[in-house]
Amino acid sequence: EAGVAQSPRYKIIEKRQSVAFWCNPISGHATLYWYQQILGQGPKLLIQFQNNGVVDDSQLPKDRFSAERLKGVDSTLKIQPAKLEDSAVYLCASSSLSGGGGGYTFGSGTRLTVV
Amino acid sequence: GENVEQHPSTLSVQEGDSAVIKCTYSDSASNYFPWYKQELGKRPQLIIDIRSNVGEKKDQRIAVTLNKTAKHFSLHITETQPEDSAVYFCAAVFYKLSFGAGTTVTVRA
Repeated sequence: EAGVAQSPRYKIIEKRQSVAFWCNPISGHATLYWYQQILGQGPKLLIQFQNNGVVDDSQLPKDRFSAERLKGVDSTLKIQPAKLEDSAVYLCASSSLSGGGGGYTFGSGTRLTVV
Repeated sequence: GENVEQHPSTLSVQEGDSAVIKCTYSDSASNYFPWYKQELGKRPQLIIDIRSNVGEKKDQRIAVTLNKTAKHFSLHITETQPEDSAVYFCAAVFYKLSFGAGTTVTVRA
């Protein structure tokens, strides 16, 4: 079974620039999550999709972050404009079960550095 | 929303000794409790999980216990080895996966 694919692996940008991350979940997984992991902290959920609908985006800074999951498969997360505090690893995860069923698989993440 | 607290934040043990990490959660509706191991620069990897209808689960040197009444759950690693050195995260799930802050475990040879 192929894993969750993410790209790019690393990205360095200047503050106020924009950046986009891509995630391809495991085939057939209906639920997709984007997490932000700041160095030394646990992952924080930014947004959760069920197919192509948003289930939870309560912790997504909507003034600068946006995410979409067209056709219920791939997803992109965008930051515009970036701030220094956005430096983190952005993890994508998917699961075959909705809500709290478990079976979460994480991608390798994108490490973003904002300078 | 769910709030997961994890202690200690760092843990240093001698090889062969046991390590215990404790977590509490706030939402009594949470029904699934996974534990993840994350090595430096790598993705979180599920090492064990427990559901709310079970009090204890064991897998070789790793065990997890759950006290639903107290809203506590713990990870126990016995006979620790250097390769157990990593950051461990507890998590609780109601409809979303909420993580604790992590415990950095160092196993001294």
